[in-house]
Amino acid sequence: AQSVTQLGSHVSVSEGALVLLRCNYSSSVPPYLFWYVQYPNQGLQLLLKYTSAATLVKGINGFEAEFKKSETSFHLTKPSAHMSDAAEYFCAVSDGGNQFYFGTGTSLTVIP
Amino acid sequence: DARVTQTPRHKVTEMGQEVTMRCQPILGHNTVFWYRQTMMQGLELLAYFRNRAPLDDSGMPKDRFSAEMPDATLATLKIQPSEPRDSAVYFCASGPLWVGANEQFFGPGTRLTVL
Repeated sequence: AQSVTQLGSHVSVSEGALVLLRCNYSSSVPPYLFWYVQYPNQGLQLLLKYTSAATLVKGINGFEAEFKKSETSFHLTKPSAHMSDAAEYFCAVSDGGNQFYFGTGTSLTVIP
Repeated sequence: DARVTQTPRHKVTEMGQEVTMRCQPILGHNTVFWYRQTMMQGLELLAYFRNRAPLDDSGMPKDRFSAEMPDATLATLKIQPSEPRDSAVYFCASGPLWVGANEQFFGPGTRLTVL
């Protein structure tokens, strides 16, 4: 069975500061890992995904995530936060079948 | 630019009424998901279909909810009778046949309010 845990339901950062959103996963098989972003009143959209290629994955809008098997983590980072990054972020895991398991989400606030 | 469409975008109804939400998946996608999002529960998977066949609807209250795919271009989620606790945003998502390694594409959601 797979699951994800997102540490911190709310994260606040100053504009220009580092963004770090944490995700730990549990999987009995090599996982596929995803980060989705949800802007207010919109559906989720894919930021990036890990599918067993490079462990450092680059996504849209300057985000990246690193797959660390030893730590069972897939944390999302961005060197410099922008006001437009304020949104809800979801980590998700799949075993490659048709089941996705989403985390509970982290709300990111960017302080001007 | 291919998108998942959902109608209606907003629905306000009274308790006991039937509610039907519709989803048009991206053409060629074989897998369709229904999710419910609330502040308390977050994002919950209600049901998913592969090639129009229901694979899992264990997340759905069976007594009042039903999900169908009458054809490859339409998925429906019905609630009868609706209750205030059903108030939520309902998302449809679609993906390719083996979606596990690939992206799910989400629609904009239907915001349901049951009074």
